[in-house]
Amino acid sequence: EVQLVESGGGLVKPGGSLRLSCAASGFTFSSYSMNWVRQAPGKGLEWVSSISSSSSYIYYADSVKGRFTISRDNAKNSLYLQMNSLRAEDTAVYYCARDRVEGGLSPYGMDVWGQGTTVTVSS
Amino acid sequence: QSALTQPPSASGSPGQSVTISCTGTSSDVGGYNYVSWYQQHPGKAPKLMIYEVSKRPSGVPDRFSGSKSGNTASLTVSGLQAEDEADYYCSSYAGSNNFSYVFGTGTKVTVL
Repeated sequence: EVQLVESGGGLVKPGGSLRLSCAASGFTFSSYSMNWVRQAPGKGLEWVSSISSSSSYIYYADSVKGRFTISRDNAKNSLYLQMNSLRAEDTAVYYCARDRVEGGLSPYGMDVWGQGTTVTVSS
Repeated sequence: QSALTQPPSASGSPGQSVTISCTGTSSDVGGYNYVSWYQQHPGKAPKLMIYEVSKRPSGVPDRFSGSKSGNTASLTVSGLQAEDEADYYCSSYAGSNNFSYVFGTGTKVTVL
């Protein structure tokens, strides 16, 4: 079964750091670009970051650029999001999602999503 | 990058059709044929329903269809069923200078 499982969420104070993980199974992780998408409580979806299959290409939303770092370990079938200098507005459910098409970064949609991990930034 | 504009809500009776609009700009929806639609039930992860404006992933019923005209994309759900009640989000590629996605504001579809 193709599956993505996020972990690492929790409660953190403003200015703090957190590292999210996403464990992939059931497909050849190293062949797919991956994404992080978040959803603030009661709000819509927001694209956060994307990374190509070989980590050669990495992109961020302006709202997190300079604070968040996406990375992956293909040997461990895992995707990560290092979040620093966290703000209240970063409070959200964070989803990892797979590109629909194998290969390089593509705008063709995200076809596999994890169940999400909740990050709460509050003092 | 501003979110794409969707109506907050839409509704229809079982068996009827409902159409949701998604309005962007020439830098996103109007500039590329890379519009996707996602269905999200409460407390669940989004599910890809339409990609590249009008294509359906395997397993998605053909009651779901997509189209685009200019800067506005649309999702139509025909033959509404109770299980179609959910939030729907459009998304478009928006990366003229850098790779990026932009999502819509979301539409709550209610089956009356």
